[in-house]
Amino acid sequence: GESVGLHLPTLSVQEGDNSIINCAYSNSASDYFIWYKQESGKGPQFIIDIRSNMDKRQGQRVTVLLNKTVKHLSLQIAATQPGDSAVYFCAEETSNTGKLIFGQGTTLQVKP
Amino acid sequence: SQTIHQWPATLVQPVGSPLSLECTVEGTSNPNLYWYRQAAGRGLQLLFYSVGIGQISSEVPQNLSASRPQDRQFILSSKKLLLSDSGFYLCAWSADENQPQHFGDGTRLSIL
Repeated sequence: GESVGLHLPTLSVQEGDNSIINCAYSNSASDYFIWYKQESGKGPQFIIDIRSNMDKRQGQRVTVLLNKTVKHLSLQIAATQPGDSAVYFCAEETSNTGKLIFGQGTTLQVKP
Repeated sequence: SQTIHQWPATLVQPVGSPLSLECTVEGTSNPNLYWYRQAAGRGLQLLFYSVGIGQISSEVPQNLSASRPQDRQFILSSKKLLLSDSGFYLCAWSADENQPQHFGDGTRLSIL
């Protein structure tokens, strides 16, 4: 069945370092991908998205990379800050269904 | 700008009692609307989604129901709550398929 999974449940980085959060997806028909950040007690917050016709997309301090060959998605955060500490989820959508399938999440801990 | 509101933020209900959670969106028209449940430390599970007034699709069999009486109002209900209905309930909206979903801050529901 469809699944979206994350390679590591927790990632600990030093403040100022770059962070890389990985995600594997199993449905090759998925064509839209989103990264969300969720802080404790709040709803997920949209970070960045990418469509399957792209390999890379950049935002402010964040970059998403999509490798369709191996069905892998990653989120890179430059110069990680304490405010980046949160749980990060990847999500995929298939062919205009409007339905997102979420991974289980990676906790990012930023050490001062 | 668009905003989404969910209430209440927390709710404690006895087993067997009814439930009504409300979600409203402002600043957009004819949004797609979604209800998700999130178990502790886990990803989000889609419960219901709606593409228009009175149009509800259920994703998983369960003790809950959803209604969309107005364009920007989405309600999650139950006639008799079960212990297993405890969780964090999130409402989201999107402008269309293959567009980001934007989440409210959720309702934490505890069943006693």
